[in-house]
Amino acid sequence: EAAVTQSPRNKVAVTGGKVTLSCNQTNNHNNMYWYRQDTGHGLRLIHYSYGAGSTEKGDIPDGYKASRPSQENFSLILELATPSQTSVYFCASGTGNSDYTFGSGTRLLVI
Amino acid sequence: QQKVQQSPESLIVPEGGMASLNCTFSDRNSQYFWWYRQHSGEGPKALMSIFSNGDKKEGRFTAHLNKASLHVSLHIKDSQPSDSALYFCAVRAGTGSNRLTFGKGTKFSLIP
Repeated sequence: EAAVTQSPRNKVAVTGGKVTLSCNQTNNHNNMYWYRQDTGHGLRLIHYSYGAGSTEKGDIPDGYKASRPSQENFSLILELATPSQTSVYFCASGTGNSDYTFGSGTRLLVI
Repeated sequence: QQKVQQSPESLIVPEGGMASLNCTFSDRNSQYFWWYRQHSGEGPKALMSIFSNGDKKEGRFTAHLNKASLHVSLHIKDSQPSDSALYFCAVRAGTGSNRLTFGKGTKFSLIP
């Protein structure tokens, strides 16, 4: 079954440290997305990609980088983590007018 | 930048009851609309999509779209315990855009 898998499921990081969140999809979708979910804000788009080698800024890209080394993999990188980046992060894949398929999320706590 | 607003923020109905969730959007070029549902501890899952003005029914769920009024709604009838979840409205502009903008969500709960 086609799926989106995120790792790790939970992560505790120290302020100023580097954090990498990983996402793998088996849907063969061209487009992949990173969202964060916070109470009162819903889902906000951080970065997205149209295919291997491409990354685009979403609505809240500051403090985040993204990498799409292959069709299947899309990473979100926090070079210098801050407590304000404590959140739940979701990766999704999609193509054309298809539904997005979301992963189960990564819960990140920055202390 | 697209603005998507949902109302109400939370909704409580008795089991077997009916519910209406509302969503307004700001970009008149918007063409494609989804409702996503998220159960606690899980990622959002697409519930249904609607691309044309009017009603679309899938089982107990009916979506209604009025592009001229910048409004889309979701109606749930015969509410079941499994319907308790966070519901998101998601909007995509026309061709050339692959981005979905989500609303803040409506928390839907059932009175036991």
